[in-house]
Amino acid sequence: NAGVTQTPKFQVLKTGQSMTLQCAQDMNHNSMYWYRQDPGMGLRLIYYSASEGTTDKGEVPNGYNVSRLNKREFSLRLESAAPSQTSVYFCASSPRTLISYEQYFGPGTRLTVT
Amino acid sequence: AQSVTQLGSHVSVSEGALVLLRCNYSSSVPPYLFWYVQYPNQGLQLLLKYTTGATLVKGINGFEAEFKKSETSFHLTKPSAHMSDAAEYFCAVRTMEYGNKLVFGAGTILRVKS
Repeated sequence: NAGVTQTPKFQVLKTGQSMTLQCAQDMNHNSMYWYRQDPGMGLRLIYYSASEGTTDKGEVPNGYNVSRLNKREFSLRLESAAPSQTSVYFCASSPRTLISYEQYFGPGTRLTVT
Repeated sequence: AQSVTQLGSHVSVSEGALVLLRCNYSSSVPPYLFWYVQYPNQGLQLLLKYTTGATLVKGINGFEAEFKKSETSFHLTKPSAHMSDAAEYFCAVRTMEYGNKLVFGAGTILRVKS
């Protein structure tokens, strides 16, 4: 099993450009998540999908959109990138939304917006 | 308000010394508690978790943590630090009070001196 995979690993965008970050998991997990990691702030939840066909906002959703394409894939889209979106983005998955289940993380996408 | 506090953004220990990373949380309902480790340029990996039952939990790589309800704490310890323990450590909490979402502390960078 590859676990959680993310593409690309690195990306540089100019302000106003758009892009989609891809995430896939092969563990048959129901729930998937997108986080951003900024120095000194831990990880903050952007959006999550409790199950295929549903998505919900997290703590910092502004400027982002998501698509749960199928059970395996959950993409994050930046429609018009801003320097404030420079960050490391992590995708995660878990078997259920029940609170006892831990989340499994991908390797991250390092995004710079100039 | 929900919060997870990790005391000390940087902790430095000598190889072979005790590692103690502190985590306190605020919640009026029973929490589920996690410690994750992040090695440079990698995703997060689960070290250990507390859900119910025994309050002292053991994880990978010789780490353990104790849930103390009266102190709302979940400190991470390891009796003898190894150079390979150098990484960033995140405490995370899930409770119904947090909307069943995983809330992360800001992280503690552990440095191990030879």
